[in-house]
This record gives sequence, structure tokens and C-alpha cells, in this order.
Amino acid sequence: SAVISQKPSRDICQRGTSLTIQCQVDSQVTMMFWYRQQPGQSLTLIATANQGSEATYESGFVIDKFPISRPNLTFSTLTVSNMSPEDSSIYLCSALLAGPYKDEQFFGPGTRLTVL
Amino acid sequence: QQQVKQSPQSLIVQKGGISIINCAYENTAFDYFPWYQQFPGKGPALLIAIRPDVSEKKEGRFTISFNKSAKQFSLHIMDSQPGDSATYFCAASKRNGNQFYFGTGTSLTVIP
Repeated sequence: SAVISQKPSRDICQRGTSLTIQCQVDSQVTMMFWYRQQPGQSLTLIATANQGSEATYESGFVIDKFPISRPNLTFSTLTVSNMSPEDSSIYLCSALLAGPYKDEQFFGPGTRLTVL
Repeated sequence: QQQVKQSPQSLIVQKGGISIINCAYENTAFDYFPWYQQFPGKGPALLIAIRPDVSEKKEGRFTISFNKSAKQFSLHIMDSQPGDSATYFCAASKRNGNQFYFGTGTSLTVIP
């Protein structure tokens, strides 16, 4: 498995501001993802962070709201822009690592965001 | 549309009992079925996974049972302990695919 870290672990932000979440993996990985998880809910994929190219967004998520960077094979950032209280959630990054059968997905500890 | 359906939403089990969580899918392109365990304030952690060419996989007290014809798989936690209290997610991914599809989660409480 890999060690995946995220910063910050939590933050409280004002409406209309932006927050950038960092994700660091301790080994090089080809695929990184960003998820959103409402408390007590399942995981919703926001986008796939592609190294060297624009992220691939899922339906309902747009680049202007959630810009993503992936400058290398171990690091990615997710920005939550122009925040509103509806953006309050846990944001998780994940990475795929080679497993015995196929690539396995590992998650970071999450960033708990509260928007006032 | 939920690609992987999970039940029950919540489960309360006595210490020492068996916890059973079920998942079902429709897409026959799925060929990898992991389970994740998530404690409050933590990210999901890979617990155990199975591929469709086996019907059962056991790791310690955790067992996945897989029924390919019924397109169902389940997680069994034997001798459940209070420390197993967490939310469990099943997932599936496709052959030659990188995206994982998650169930809605089951909140397990093991009471002493």
C-alpha cells in the first residue's frame, strides 16, 4: 500500500472564498482521483487528475468550480472555488497502485471542509 | 444510477456475532470487488477484495462470498468486535478500467 497525505486535514472557510487541498503520495502513481463525501454518505467521484493534462470531470462537476492540478506523479491539488455552504463536505484524494490482480485504490485521510 | 447496490444501510450486531453486508451489481464488465472500511474522521481503507473466478476469499475474520450468476457479493465479519464498528463500502471496477463504483455504505455498530 501507499501512504497518502492530505493538507489541510480540516478548515472552516467563509462563503465566496476558495480553498486548495493538497494530496501527496509517497510513491509514483499513474492515476489519482478526487472524491467528495457528505457526512454519513457514500463517495462521489469529482474527477480524475491526469498528469500533464487537464483533469477529467464527472457529470455535475466543472473545472471552474473545482480546478485540479497534477504537476507530477506524486502530487495533486483540488481547489474548491467561490465556496458556498453546500460545498461543506469531506474531500478525499485517492491513488491507484499495482495489486496482485489489478490496480487497487487507496485513499488519503480526507479534508473536512466547513463553509459558513 | 447506482451501479452497486448495498444493504443494509445500518447494522447492529452483538459482540461475537456475525455481521453480514450484501452488495449487488448488474454490469457484467465488473471483474474486481473490493471492500473498504472507514472509521470516523479517516479515509476509507482497503479491507479485502475478490475477483470473479473465486467464490470465496477469507482473511482473518473477514470473508467475501461471491455469487457470479446472481451478481451478488457479501462481506461476512465473524466474531464481530466493538473495534469493527465502522462504515463499510463495497465497490466494483471494470475489466481494463480504472474507475471504482462504490456502494452507499453500511454503518456497523458492534455492541459489547
